[in-house]
Amino acid sequence: KAGVTQTPRYLIKTRGQQVTLSCSPISGHRSVSWYQQTPGQGLQFLFEYFSETQRNKGNFPGRFSGRQFSNSRSEMNVSTLELGDSALYLCASSLAPGTPYEQYFGPGTRLTVT
Amino acid sequence: AQRVTQPEKLLSVFKGAPVELKCNYSYSGSPELFWYVQYSRQRLQLLLRHISRESIKGFTADLNKGETSFHLKKPFAQEEDSAMYYCALSGGSNYKLTFGKGTLLTVNP
Repeated sequence: KAGVTQTPRYLIKTRGQQVTLSCSPISGHRSVSWYQQTPGQGLQFLFEYFSETQRNKGNFPGRFSGRQFSNSRSEMNVSTLELGDSALYLCASSLAPGTPYEQYFGPGTRLTVT
Repeated sequence: AQRVTQPEKLLSVFKGAPVELKCNYSYSGSPELFWYVQYSRQRLQLLLRHISRESIKGFTADLNKGETSFHLKKPFAQEEDSAMYYCALSGGSNYKLTFGKGTLLTVNP
C-alpha cells in the first residue's frame, strides 16, 4: 500500500506570497492532520480534517487554512507568507479520527520563505 | 492545556548500555501517550503507545500518572536505535497530538 504523499517536496517563496501544499493520504484513510515542524518550536499541530470537515485547529493565525476533498486528499494554504513560516510541513493520515487509529506521516514539504 | 516535556535534547550512550529517554506531560484528564521515532532520512513513525503495553524493538514505556511521566527504556541499546525520538500526547475528544521537542539518541559502537 502506498504511503502518504506530499507535493511539492521543496518550495521557495518570497515574503507576502501565498502557497498551497498538497497531501494524499493512504488509500482508505479518511482523516488527515497537518503539522508544522521548526527547529525552535518543534512539531506543532495545525489542523485536522475528516469527511471534508475541519475537526480541530491549532493555535495558528488565520493566514493558515486548509481543506479536504471528497477523495480525502487535503490541501493547506498559507497566505501573506512571513519569514517565520519557513518550516517542514508534515501531513499525517489515519483511517478515522481518534487515538485508536495510528497516524501515518508523509515525508513533508520543506517551505523556505525569503 | 496539553504540554509534553522532553528534558534532554541529546543523549549519547554506548552500544549494549541501557537507555532511558525521559518524557513528562501536563494534562488534566486521562491522556493517551505515544512515542514516535524518526530515523535518518526516514519518515516520522509510531514506535509504541501506552495503551498497547507492547515492547517494540526492545523498547518499553510505562505511564506513571503519579509522576506524569512516560519514559522510554531499552535495556541494551543498539547502533540502529540512533534516531530522533518524540514523545506525544493526545487527550479527550481532542485527538490532536501534542509533541515534545524531541531527543536525539546516538548509540556509539
